[in-house]
Amino acid sequence: DGGITQSPKYLFRKEGQNVTLSCEQNLNHDAMYWYRQDPGQGLRLIYYSQIVNDFQKGDIAEGYSVSREKKESFPLTVTSAQKNPTAFYLCASSISRWSGIGEQYFGPGTRLTVT
Amino acid sequence: ELKVEQNPLFLSMQEGKNYTIYCNYSTTSDRLYWYRQDPGKSLESLFVLLSNGAVKQEGRLMASLDTKARLSTLHITAAVHDLSATYFCAVDMINRDDKIIFGKGTRLHILP
Repeated sequence: DGGITQSPKYLFRKEGQNVTLSCEQNLNHDAMYWYRQDPGQGLRLIYYSQIVNDFQKGDIAEGYSVSREKKESFPLTVTSAQKNPTAFYLCASSISRWSGIGEQYFGPGTRLTVT
Repeated sequence: ELKVEQNPLFLSMQEGKNYTIYCNYSTTSDRLYWYRQDPGKSLESLFVLLSNGAVKQEGRLMASLDTKARLSTLHITAAVHDLSATYFCAVDMINRDDKIIFGKGTRLHILP
C-alpha cells in the first residue's frame, strides 16, 4: 500500500537534546513538507523540499534542520536551539504542482514532548 | 503574501441543521483544498477544487470555489455527530513553488 509513514508516534526527550523525526513515503512524490501544530492551532510550515538534495525554509525554520538525500525520505531534526519544541509534527508529500494537482497527503504525525 | 481566513473558527451546532464554513483568501489562486482533522489525528483530504465554479460533494458535505470572489465554502447538510472535527482549507500559492497556505481551521462540534 502506498502512503506516508512517520516514526515514532510518540517521542519524549529531555531539554537540550537533539531529536530526529522520521518521514518516509512510497508514493513517488517529488515534494515533501514538515509542519508543526500546537494544541488548538493550525499548521505552520517548517521546511519543504521540492526535489532531492534541495530544501527551503518555511515560516518557522529556526531551531530545526532537514535533509533530503533520497526521494522517499525527509527527516526533521529538532535541535536544542528550538525554544518550545513540544508539539505535534506532521509530514506531508505531494506531486509537484507542475506534474499534477499538488494535493498534499499527510502522515499520521509524531507527538513530541520535551521536558 | 497570501493570507487565508476561515470563519467561523468555532462552531457548535445541533444535529440535523445546515451550516456553512467560509474560506477567504487574499491573492489569485485557482486551487483550493479542504481537509478534515479528528482530535489527535492527522489530516485527511476531503476535496480538491481546481477551477472557478468547481463544486464537489461527498455525503453531507459540499464544497465550492469562486475564484473571482476568492472564496470557498464548505456546506454541511443535516449535520450528524460523526462530522464533528476540525476542517481546514488550504490555498495553492499559484506560480510560486509547491507551498500551500492553510487557514487556522474551523472546529466543528455537533451536538446530538
